[in-house]
Amino acid sequence: EAQVTQNPRYLITVTGKKLTVTCSQNMNHEYMSWYRQDPGLGLRQIYYSMNVEVTDKGDVPEGYKVSRKEKRNFPLILESPSPNQTSLYFCASSSGGTVGTDTQYFGPGTRLTVL
Amino acid sequence: DQQVKQNSPSLSVQEGRISILNCDYTNSMFDYFLWYKKYPAEGPTFLISISSIKDKNEDGRFTVFLNKSAKHLSLHIVPSQPGDSAVYFCAASAGNSGYALNFGKGTSLLVTP
Repeated sequence: EAQVTQNPRYLITVTGKKLTVTCSQNMNHEYMSWYRQDPGLGLRQIYYSMNVEVTDKGDVPEGYKVSRKEKRNFPLILESPSPNQTSLYFCASSSGGTVGTDTQYFGPGTRLTVL
Repeated sequence: DQQVKQNSPSLSVQEGRISILNCDYTNSMFDYFLWYKKYPAEGPTFLISISSIKDKNEDGRFTVFLNKSAKHLSLHIVPSQPGDSAVYFCAASAGNSGYALNFGKGTSLLVTP
């Protein structure tokens, strides 16, 4: 089954304690991305990756890091989480093909609370 | 600055009637538009898309209309069903790929029996 998986699904942590949210896709997609969803703000892109070892900032990259060492994985790293990073996070992937074929597929989400 | 705007946070429609969800955008470089549907505790799922070379795309009960001159698109659901109750996000991108989707804030649709 084609899917994007994220772990953990729920996480409560404390300020300053480094954490990693994993994302994996089994569709051999080149493009992967992280979004955060906040009430009243919709989905905002944090980082994206167009292929292995190619990453770039989205709209709200501050406080986050990513890496793309393998095509299937795109972890999101919070080196020193702060309460304003409490949010619902989504990973997405797409084939990066031509218009009409590059729909992004989303993972189930990770709800992060930083105390 | 929000480049994709969904000005109605919520919409309530009776079962069987038409649901119309609206979306406006400001960036004239956007040439590919998508609608995603999101249920609670799940990730957004792709619903329907439209390229800027078209003004209408239909898929079953769902039709998306694009008015480029007005920078406006709409999603029509006919007939609406209770299972359509969800949050609908409009998204747009520029260029020949789905990279860097810009999302609206979403419209919560409630279809009542």
